[in-house]
Amino acid sequence: EDQVTQSPEALRLQEGESSSLNCSYTVSGLRGLFWYRQDPGKGPEFLFTLYSAGEEKEKERLKATLTKKESFLHITAPKPEDSATYLCAVQVNNNNDMRFGAGTRLTVKP
Amino acid sequence: DVKVTQSSRYLVKRTGEKVFLECVQDMDHENMFWYRQDPGLGLRLIYFSYDVKMKEKGDIPEGYSVSREKKERFSLILESASTNQTSMYLCASKGGNQPQHFGDGTRLSIL
Repeated sequence: EDQVTQSPEALRLQEGESSSLNCSYTVSGLRGLFWYRQDPGKGPEFLFTLYSAGEEKEKERLKATLTKKESFLHITAPKPEDSATYLCAVQVNNNNDMRFGAGTRLTVKP
Repeated sequence: DVKVTQSSRYLVKRTGEKVFLECVQDMDHENMFWYRQDPGLGLRLIYFSYDVKMKEKGDIPEGYSVSREKKERFSLILESASTNQTSMYLCASKGGNQPQHFGDGTRLSIL
């Protein structure tokens, strides 16, 4: 069965304290791995797509990496405005089938 | 920018009522999706549609139906609302190989 597991469930950082969020997956026929950011009361906002092991994408303080079994979202020198829930999702086989993880709730304290 | 608009941010209904949730996208996307989001469970796919009048069941279709009469609009219907359908409902649309884009959700409470 296709599964996506995110860890940790919640993460509290001090401003400037770098860390990583993990997304591990067991799927057949991975066609893409997606990272989204979700603020309270809002829908998920797209961040990155990764397609193959070794690929990396960057945006401001965020960098996403992909291996054959997991993806990491690295946050460098985070700021309070980076506080949000980060969701990982995998697209498998057909073009419409996505599996989401439960998310990591990140809090960055000033 | 893709805009996905859900008609209500908050909705309170009673058990047994028929409930309609509406979603409109402005990018002429072929694919539209309905998810529900519950704490600790992530997003779970209820139904999706890949064209007008076409629909496919997702992982948790029981108790729900959908309608897509026009390309830009995808409706989720709770035939007879129950308390276990209290949740956040998210609509998304997708064109070609692009990622899914989400609306801001409808927080539905069934009393």
